[in-house]
Formats: sequence, C-alpha cells, structure tokens
Amino acid sequence: EAQVTQNPRYLITVTGKKLTVTCSQNMNHEYMSWYRQDPGLGLRQIYYSMNVEVTDKGDVPEGYKVSRKEKRNFPLILESPSPNQTSLYFCASSLSGDRVAEAFFGQGTRLTVV
Amino acid sequence: QQPVQSPQAVILREGEDAVINCSSSKALYSVHWYRQKHGEAPVFLMILLKGGEQKGHDKISASFNEKKQQSSLYLTASQLSYSGTYFCGTLLRRGTSYGKLTFGQGTILTVHP
Repeated sequence: EAQVTQNPRYLITVTGKKLTVTCSQNMNHEYMSWYRQDPGLGLRQIYYSMNVEVTDKGDVPEGYKVSRKEKRNFPLILESPSPNQTSLYFCASSLSGDRVAEAFFGQGTRLTVV
Repeated sequence: QQPVQSPQAVILREGEDAVINCSSSKALYSVHWYRQKHGEAPVFLMILLKGGEQKGHDKISASFNEKKQQSSLYLTASQLSYSGTYFCGTLLRRGTSYGKLTFGQGTILTVHP
C-alpha cells in the first residue's frame, strides 16, 4: 500500500531533550516536506526537500533541522525542543516538486513539549 | 506568505451550497485544494494550473482566476461527508521559491442533517 509513515504518532517530551520524528514514504517520491498545524494558523511549512541531499527552509524553520540522505526518508530533528514547538506535525511527499503533483500526507505526530 | 482563505467557518444543512475563497498577494502558478477530516491527515482534492481553469470532482468544483490571484472552491448540494477543514495551497510562479507549497489557515465546514 502506498503510504507516508510517521513515527511516533504521539510524543510528550521535556524542554531541551533532543528528539527525532521519522518520516518514510514507499512511493519513490522525489519531494518531501514537513508542516506544523496549529489552531487558526493552518498548515505552515517547516522544511522541504526537492530530492536527496537537497533541502530548503519553509516559512517556520527556526528550531528544526532536517536531512535527506535517502530518497524514502526525511526525518525532522528538534535539537532543543521548547514549549512553543508543541504542535501537530505532518510529513508529506509528492512525485516531484513540480507544480502538478498531488501531495500525500502522513497520519501526523502530536508533539507536546513540557 | 500564506494565502488568505474566507470564510473562516461555515455551517450548512444538507443540500445547501457553499463557496470557499482563497487569495494571494503574489502571482500564482497553481492552486491546490485539500480536505482534512477531524483527527485525520489532509487529503488531496484537486490542482488548478491555468488562469480561468475550472475543475470538478463529484459535486465539488473549483476555479482559478490567475489575474486576480484567487481561487474558489464550490461545494454544491452538500452532504454530511463534506464536513471538515478545507485548505488551499499555493505555488508561486516558476523561478521563485520553487517547491514551496504554502497553505492557507483553513476553512471549517460543518454540514448538519
């Protein structure tokens, strides 16, 4: 089954403790992206990747890191999480960064930083 | 910069129609529409590429006015299953922020029996 898989689905952590949210897709998609969703603010892009070893900042990249060493994986790293990073996170992938490509979303990761 | 959606929320009875608007301050290449049901991931509805283009998907259709940098999503004869949050996403013209799909703040649609 074609899908985007995020792990974990739920995570509660403490301020300053490094964490990684994994994202994997099995559709051989070139393009992958991370979004955070907060009430009233919609989906805001954190980082995106056009292909392996190619990443770029979205609208809210501060406090996050990403890497794209393999085509299928695009982990989101929070080196020192803070409470303002409490949010619902979505990973998405599409065939390419081309304008016509449909994006497939993972099921989301609900992160709470206390 | 995020596109602006209006209205923020709309409540309908089954069978009624609704229009959701999406506007950008920047020249657009394409507009993407997604629907997210409560507790789930957003799901693709359609992409509009050309100015004046209209597309349909069951009783959900959309238009894209490239000159006005606006898109509208039309839901006709609404069904209970249409309830959810609708997002428009925009991609700017080629050569600027290539690949940066930016979403609006969402429109919450509630359909009652």
